[in-house]
Amino acid sequence: AAGVIQSPRHLIKEKRETATLKCYPIPRHDTVYWYQQGPGQDPQFLISFYEKMQSDKGSIPDRFSAQQFSDYHSELNMSSLELGDSALYFCASSSGLVGYNEQFFGPGTRLTVL
Amino acid sequence: AQKVTQAQTEISVVEKEDVTLDCVYETRDTTYYLFWYKQPPSGELVFLIRRNSFDEQNEISGRYSWNFQKSTSSFNFTITASQVVDSAVYFCALSDALDQTGANNLFFGTGTRLTVIP
Repeated sequence: AAGVIQSPRHLIKEKRETATLKCYPIPRHDTVYWYQQGPGQDPQFLISFYEKMQSDKGSIPDRFSAQQFSDYHSELNMSSLELGDSALYFCASSSGLVGYNEQFFGPGTRLTVL
Repeated sequence: AQKVTQAQTEISVVEKEDVTLDCVYETRDTTYYLFWYKQPPSGELVFLIRRNSFDEQNEISGRYSWNFQKSTSSFNFTITASQVVDSAVYFCALSDALDQTGANNLFFGTGTRLTVIP
């Protein structure tokens, strides 16, 4: 079965650079979530999109932005990278059916900021 | 506000022992969902179980079982006859009921690192 695809899987950037992470949800899933997991931490919700509109916002820095495109894939854009942005970034997708909310997680993108 | 507490930071057991991972949650919602995820050393998040707030039946899946006690706001996870492959970080998570937008994020606990010693 198709799963959530994230690219790239690994990314190394310098401080103050920009990075773009991509997420391709499971086919027919209309909801995408982004989570950030720092070293030794639990995943923290950043932002979500439902039907290409921003649905909810968590602890996402102003330096980050995201969007969901017409084909439902999503991109997380990160600018002015800081050392503290080094983390595992997960994308998850779900189908926004009432009463069912299983989020399927992608394998994550490991971002290292040097 | 939603909150998930996993008081056990790290647990070590010898293979074949049973182990219970605790999870206590807080929410003001009457409808909510509880989850357990496994994160092995490779880093991916593996979904284990989802339980809605109206279903307090305990569940068993092979060596895994879950005890949902609404009265104590707990959703504990037991692994029987543990194996080395069970070594991972386990996260308990909470989600509100779906709203009109159809999207609800997960609130994770801080995780419990389980080490099963051969």
